[in-house]
Amino acid sequence: QSLLTQPPSVSGAPGQRVTISCTGSSSNIGASAQVHVHWYQQIAGTAPKLLIYSNDRRPSGVPDRFSGSKSGTSGSLAITGLQAEDEADYYCQSYDTLSGYYVFGTGTKVTVL
Amino acid sequence: QVQLVQSGAEVKKPGASVKVSCKASGYTFTNYWIHWVRQAPGQGLEWMGWINPATGGTNYRQKFQGRVTLTTDTSMITAYMELRSLTSDDTAMYYCVRDPGNGWGFDPWGQGTLVTVSS
Repeated sequence: QSLLTQPPSVSGAPGQRVTISCTGSSSNIGASAQVHVHWYQQIAGTAPKLLIYSNDRRPSGVPDRFSGSKSGTSGSLAITGLQAEDEADYYCQSYDTLSGYYVFGTGTKVTVL
Repeated sequence: QVQLVQSGAEVKKPGASVKVSCKASGYTFTNYWIHWVRQAPGQGLEWMGWINPATGGTNYRQKFQGRVTLTTDTSMITAYMELRSLTSDDTAMYYCVRDPGNGWGFDPWGQGTLVTVSS
């Protein structure tokens, strides 16, 4: 059972904005400012790829259409100007201070209508 | 460029063991932890454990304790994941991934190794 909860699916038309929530607890995302939320994009049949790290930072090469944030015990990923190539599964990830485990969210499938 | 290349797909019988390799290139191997993550068919990502190549120190998820062993060979710049007493529930894609630490996320990921457990 995952400690980080995400909506199973979100959808939007090309050009629209969609957001994905990642709800944790005081033992992981909300534990401290040093516990970060990261986001990964997994296109069907491929390995996950780092999309956002340290809550809101983009690795080189990731379009600025993707943005992240953290507030309290939750994180959030926003995709603005949705494109067909954004259709994928998205996972949040953090660290649980109680168990000492690295934890992933339940995953969200983004569909471009 | 920084890259992790994993060994090929495996088919094992229940009760057997599997050892997956993960060869690193493009960076100093001992400076970064390696994590192993698995994904059952149609399911989400599950963290299994990490290894510090510099010290050999490890940490395993409780559910895998006693069944999994993570090792590294620094001369071969390769990490290994061995999983024993396989059951059909262990059928999954297994990924190695580098951890830069200090809140930088997991990057990059290996291409994955499919382990199928079937009688």
